[in-house]
Amino acid sequence: NAGVTQTPKFQVLKTGQSMTLQCAQDMNHEYMSWYRQDPGMGLRLIHYSVGAGITDQGEVPNGYNVSRSTTEDFPLRLLSAAPSQTSVYFCASSYSYSNGYTFGSGTRLTVV
Amino acid sequence: AQKITQTQPGMFVQEKEAVTLDCTYDTSDPSYGLFWYKQPSSGEMIFLIYQGSYDQQNATEGRYSLNFQKARKSANLVISASQLGDSAMYFCAMREGSGGSNYKLTFGKGTLLTVNP
Repeated sequence: NAGVTQTPKFQVLKTGQSMTLQCAQDMNHEYMSWYRQDPGMGLRLIHYSVGAGITDQGEVPNGYNVSRSTTEDFPLRLLSAAPSQTSVYFCASSYSYSNGYTFGSGTRLTVV
Repeated sequence: AQKITQTQPGMFVQEKEAVTLDCTYDTSDPSYGLFWYKQPSSGEMIFLIYQGSYDQQNATEGRYSLNFQKARKSANLVISASQLGDSAMYFCAMREGSGGSNYKLTFGKGTLLTVNP
């Protein structure tokens, strides 16, 4: 099992550019989510999905879009990158309420 | 109001000693779950331990235990016999409610633990 795979690991974008952060899991987990981590802020939820075709907003959704066409994949799209979106992004998945989330290794994004 | 509060930005402990990392939470829902994660300097998030609101006993996983005091709304992580490899950022997190939204995790801001030799 590969677990949760995030690509790319590092990315530099120019302000206004768009890109997609990829997230894939091979554990057949229904629940997937995206978090961003900023210094001193902990992790904050951007978007989440409870199954294919179902997504919802988290705490900080502005500037990001998601879709969930398959159980395995949950990409995060930045529509028009801004310096405020410079952060480390984590994708996570889970299969039960009491089970610990499995996190990807993260994507470090810098917007200049 | 913050849902998860970790009041210790940084903690130091001597190798082989025990250390307690504090976490208080705020929820009005009777059904919730509390998690602790470890983030070493390499950046990955490692699940350590889980405590459900209806669990009668404190959770334990090896050297990790969760001191769950429901009335005080605290869920402190206790690490026994600290090792140098325990040096990391530690996050407390909570799930609350029922239905699809109960999979959302709310994180605290973290405590940076340094284990001294």
